Amino acid sequence: QKEVEQDPGPLSVPEGAIVSLNCTYSNSAFQYFMWYRQYSRKGPELLMYTYSSGNKEDGRFTAQVDKSSKYISLFIRDSQPSDSATYLCAMSEGNRDDKIIFGKGTRLHILP
Amino acid sequence: NAGVTQTPKFQVLKTGQSMTLQCAQDMNHNSMYWYRQDPGMGLRLIYYSASEGTTDKGEVPNGYNVSRLNKREFSLRLESAAPSQTSVYFCASSSRDRIDGYTFGSGTRLTVV
Repeated sequence: QKEVEQDPGPLSVPEGAIVSLNCTYSNSAFQYFMWYRQYSRKGPELLMYTYSSGNKEDGRFTAQVDKSSKYISLFIRDSQPSDSATYLCAMSEGNRDDKIIFGKGTRLHILP
Repeated sequence: NAGVTQTPKFQVLKTGQSMTLQCAQDMNHNSMYWYRQDPGMGLRLIYYSASEGTTDKGEVPNGYNVSRLNKREFSLRLESAAPSQTSVYFCASSSRDRIDGYTFGSGTRLTVV
């Protein structure tokens, strides 16, 4: 079983819809959870960062962590064509010298 | 406010040629990383440097070498390029506690023919 699993998509939704992106993981020691957005031919950029379980909201974006189920989600409300990108989940244990583990990314297309 | 700068942005090499990919960050970060990204494979860590003066192998180090020249700069060298090294290469940096995750450069698209 891979450490972080993410459906590669592509996921196509109409403009204005609510988008749900998800990842599962196997390492119960993960404490820090992130979502990166990567536009075509660009580097990934940090979108959301959460610690432990619970929800975090930033504008149209909500990140949700359920450690008991080892499942994280990113919700995008009122989706826009500019949200079309690849979204990568990422996580780490939070120890001093460990590294962030990335999912393979989900390609999202918002249809005008 | 440049962040992480990678050069060159594009490169075409012939099999067997060598080249060095350059990376510099201006955020006073301790840690730096080199990844490659291939379709369907996601980001794969090649080498990383937890701090100035140290380097360690990642998931796919074969065929690559790195140099942490100083705190700002971390270079990746291909000594004898192979077609299997055709990829997009990303450099990233982070503070030691990674409280803000990784900051990535814009990438180098390398084609080996």
